[in-house]
Amino acid sequence: DAGVTQSPTHLIKTRGQQVTLRCSPISGHKSVSWYQQVLGQGPQFIFQYYEKEERGRGNFPDRFSARQFPNYSSELNVNALLLGDSALYLCASSNLPPGSSYEQYFGPGTRLTVT
Amino acid sequence: QKEVEQNSGPLSVPEGAIASLNCTYSDRGSQSFFWYRQYSGKSPELIMSIYSNGDKEDGRFTAQLNKASQYVSLLIRDSQPSDSATYLCAVNLPRAGGSYIPTFGRGTSLIVHP
Repeated sequence: DAGVTQSPTHLIKTRGQQVTLRCSPISGHKSVSWYQQVLGQGPQFIFQYYEKEERGRGNFPDRFSARQFPNYSSELNVNALLLGDSALYLCASSNLPPGSSYEQYFGPGTRLTVT
Repeated sequence: QKEVEQNSGPLSVPEGAIASLNCTYSDRGSQSFFWYRQYSGKSPELIMSIYSNGDKEDGRFTAQLNKASQYVSLLIRDSQPSDSATYLCAVNLPRAGGSYIPTFGRGTSLIVHP
């Protein structure tokens, strides 16, 4: 079975631009979460979706938004990019609804560089 | 106090030794604990989950949980150079409304030298 897939792999954008990152979960998984990981830090939670509904949101500005589609794939949008948005963006999927016993499997990530 | 804390390392151990990685968390209401391995330039890979006090073994890996002391650890027996990576501790922290937010530590860098 294919794992979590993300596109694009790498992306270079200019300050002020907008970006859309895409994620397809493992087949059968209905839950998708998004994380931002900067060098030397652990992944930081951005959004969590289950059955197309937002189930959790981290401490990120409103410039960050996301949605989940009927096929459970997901997009993360970031507007008005700042230099500090440069990071590895990770998508993770789970076959369980968000809860205490929530194991996730990560995709390869999208490396975003903002210049 | 950070919600999930790990020593950033690096932790250096000789090949064949036991590597011990530790993690503490702030919320006593936490129920689920995970260890991920992340090779440089790659994404995290789930290697262990633990939900009850005590030990859980899987091959060369043993996760240990002590909820009273709010710490979770990972032991790697017979360490191999291929185990050299950053090990991330993650805790599903409870939030208002009954949701749980996966929260990661900054990771501990492990170096296994021949």
